[in-house]
Amino acid sequence: DVQLVESGGGLVQPGGSLRLSCAASGFTFSDNYMDWVRQAPGKGLEWVGRSRNKANSYSTEYAASVKGRFTVSRDDSENSLYLQMNSLKTEDTAVYYCTRTVRTTDHWGQGTLVTVSS
Amino acid sequence: DIQMTQSPSSLSASVGDRVTITCRASQGIDNYLAWFQQKPGKAPKSLIYSASTLQSGVPSKFSGSGSGTDFTLTISSLQPEDFATYYCQQYKSYPLTFGGGTKVEIK
Repeated sequence: DVQLVESGGGLVQPGGSLRLSCAASGFTFSDNYMDWVRQAPGKGLEWVGRSRNKANSYSTEYAASVKGRFTVSRDDSENSLYLQMNSLKTEDTAVYYCTRTVRTTDHWGQGTLVTVSS
Repeated sequence: DIQMTQSPSSLSASVGDRVTITCRASQGIDNYLAWFQQKPGKAPKSLIYSASTLQSGVPSKFSGSGSGTDFTLTISSLQPEDFATYYCQQYKSYPLTFGGGTKVEIK
């Protein structure tokens, strides 16, 4: 079975940094595109960014709201996806989900909560 | 960016009802449209991709239709486990964008 397990969330001050991780299992991680999607408390879903696979040079895409501050990366040898978040703002407070993409999102992790507050 | 507009934003329905949710794209997206279900406190679940293809394991009471700019999600006979919030998403172009959600509540 496909499993995606996020970790690394927590409380951080505005302007700070945090690195989220997603451990993947149950499928050939290196073949797949992977995304991060977030959800602010009581709000809807917002796509954050994408990592394409090795065949597509691990290229990335980002939402305008995080471009230049967040970086999506992956380690296929560890079956892991990462989200490096810098210059965090209070509006980045959300549950962050790691998702697998086959045509589009087909599996979601359970999410990890990031709270940006002083 | 492509804007996705869902209607209604919420609805009340009874067990056994047929429910239809609409999603409209601000420009044509062919059939690059997905639907997701989210229950309170849980991660979303993928239901449909390519506007009308069910993800593996999704019951056939869910169906999707549409192409271009107008899409619908239909639940043929609402059951207690279907009360949730439903989101559409376009994946025609970056940034990927979601609709605002439709909350389906018990009447």
